[in-house]
Amino acid sequence: DIQMTQSPSSLSASVGDRVTITCRASQGIRNDLGWYQQKPGKAPKRLIYAASILQSGVPSRFSGSGSGTEFTLTISSLQPEDFATYYCLQHNGFPHTFGQGTKLEIK
Amino acid sequence: EVQLVESGGGLVQPGGSLRLSCAASGFTLSGYWMHWVRQPPGKGLVWVARINSDGTTITYANSVKGRFTISRDNANNRLYLQMNSLRAEDTAVYYCAGGLSTSSGVWGQGTLVTVSS
Repeated sequence: DIQMTQSPSSLSASVGDRVTITCRASQGIRNDLGWYQQKPGKAPKRLIYAASILQSGVPSRFSGSGSGTEFTLTISSLQPEDFATYYCLQHNGFPHTFGQGTKLEIK
Repeated sequence: EVQLVESGGGLVQPGGSLRLSCAASGFTLSGYWMHWVRQPPGKGLVWVARINSDGTTITYANSVKGRFTISRDNANNRLYLQMNSLRAEDTAVYYCAGGLSTSSGVWGQGTLVTVSS
């Protein structure tokens, strides 16, 4: 199985901050990775697909990069609505696997 | 509006069975590989199973293999998950999702399955 190691597991930041979340794959997955945002009691919402393509309707402050084994999600200027939990998902191999999640909290 | 709506969750005793359904609206399910993903209470997301567009290729997570069956009815725009021999550790919110690798990925709102005596 492909392991996805996501870091950090939690992050405290302020409105306006720039934050970066990282996912490392245990083997190369090309760009077969998506980033998801989840708020309490809600379904995950995809922000990025194919590692770096912004999902339609998602604000441009979100960006993704990487290929192979290392990937990052960057939020350029945090907004109050961005405080949530973020997950990466690799769909290169089966089973598909998620990162452990990053809980982004208000400082 | 493109939408997936799950149903069929509820409380079931250990060893029991449950069938989840996922209805698509606003798009044709037959064009998508479909997946089930679950989330135990307070924990992260876990991929469960997938089925290709015509139902000929199916893959399961080891934790559910031999107990769960994913299927689809493209004529009626529906996806299913038959869950047998349920265990306490199967307690979770179950999401259906499609197009994970495409630009038009879509997720349902989830249905809660609780396995308890």
